[in-house]
Amino acid sequence: DVKVTQSSRYLVKRTGEKVFLECVQDMDHENMFWYRQDPGLGLRLIYFSYDVKMKEKGDIPEGYSVSREKKERFSLILESASTNQTSMYLCASSLFGGAYEQYFGPGTRLTVT
Amino acid sequence: AQSVSQHNHHVILSEAASLELGCNYSYGGTVNLFWYVQYPGQHLQLLLKYLSGDPLVKGIKGFEAEFIKSKFSFNLRKPSVQWSDTAEYFCAAPSDSNYQLIWGAGTKLIIKP
Repeated sequence: DVKVTQSSRYLVKRTGEKVFLECVQDMDHENMFWYRQDPGLGLRLIYFSYDVKMKEKGDIPEGYSVSREKKERFSLILESASTNQTSMYLCASSLFGGAYEQYFGPGTRLTVT
Repeated sequence: AQSVSQHNHHVILSEAASLELGCNYSYGGTVNLFWYVQYPGQHLQLLLKYLSGDPLVKGIKGFEAEFIKSKFSFNLRKPSVQWSDTAEYFCAAPSDSNYQLIWGAGTKLIIKP
């Protein structure tokens, strides 16, 4: 079974703090993704990576950065958290290409106060 | 695909009612289509997918979807819903670059017992 794990289920941070969200997958997938999920807006892609050290911006990259130093790990960084980044963050992985199923982690609910 | 549209954001049904959730996509190349489901408190998971061949696709828990190329649609159906089908349902299709999925906004389905 594919397993995608995220470092925290719930996180509360203050405005201006640097926030790290970690994601690890155990199926040797090439692709990894970070989404945010907000009511009525579905899933919006923040960044994705198709290989180690490779990254591509998604639809809403502003205020975020990512790091992929190892194939199994994909980190999302909020350099200076703001209240409008309060959201559910989902990590996913898949084999390379759009025809493949994405496997999701449980999500991190981040609240920025 | 360039875009994926889900027509209903909220659907409320009684148990044993029939279900049809609409999904339309804008054509942009290879047509692979997915329905994902997120049960309350659980991970997003694949419900069913169309890659090629028979346009009627069967998934888990009695769900099916029909790919109608002329209508750019991939509607999800279930003849008789159960209370346990209460969840949020997302339609998705690969982007033109084929690196990522384009997601619909989601449909929240509530089944009244």
